[in-house]
Amino acid sequence: AQKVTQAQTEISVVEKEDVTLDCVYETRDTTYYLFWYKQPPSGELVFLIRRNSFDEQNEISGRYSWNFQKSTSSFNFTITASQVVDSAVYFCALSSGSSNTGKLIFGQGTTLQVKP
Amino acid sequence: NAGVMQNPRHLVRRRGQEARLRCSPVKGHSHVYWYRQLPEEGLKFMVYLQKENIIDESGMPKERFSAEFPKEGPSILRIQQVVRGDSAAYFCASSSGENTQYFGPGTRLTVL
Repeated sequence: AQKVTQAQTEISVVEKEDVTLDCVYETRDTTYYLFWYKQPPSGELVFLIRRNSFDEQNEISGRYSWNFQKSTSSFNFTITASQVVDSAVYFCALSSGSSNTGKLIFGQGTTLQVKP
Repeated sequence: NAGVMQNPRHLVRRRGQEARLRCSPVKGHSHVYWYRQLPEEGLKFMVYLQKENIIDESGMPKERFSAEFPKEGPSILRIQQVVRGDSAAYFCASSSGENTQYFGPGTRLTVL
């Protein structure tokens, strides 16, 4: 079975704090892809990052960084020096399967509130 | 480059009516996915289409729902005889086949 768990339902921080959003996944496939999407209050879904299962290098993009660890089946997302504009729902997603249709399995999402 | 377009952005229907949701993928993308976001349930896959073909409809309800992606024109998600439980946000995503899906702004369907 394939599954994505985002155990943190809601997180509230004060601006400039660092915050880490957790994501744990389950799959029996050796080839898979992991994603993070952001859903701001306006409702659209914004692609942030894609990682494939063979690339465990951590990635940094500005204030965003991602830590992929196959040993713990985790793909955590850290926002450094958070800003009010980071307030959104963040979804972690998994794409895998021998048929590789590419369909995404989403976690339940973590609502991040950044207070001024 | 234009992203994924969805229309209408908001749709109100009475119980028993039909709802038609349209999705125009990113130019050059031939893979289209539909997802539904129900309150309290998160985002769930519904159907995956390539031009003129349904590839995976494992997430589609067995009745009243259908999808198409014709050779010309947008992809259509059609819901017949809508019920209140169909009220949700419906998202379309497109891909060039390289695994990253780009989402449209969604259609918010409200069934009265």
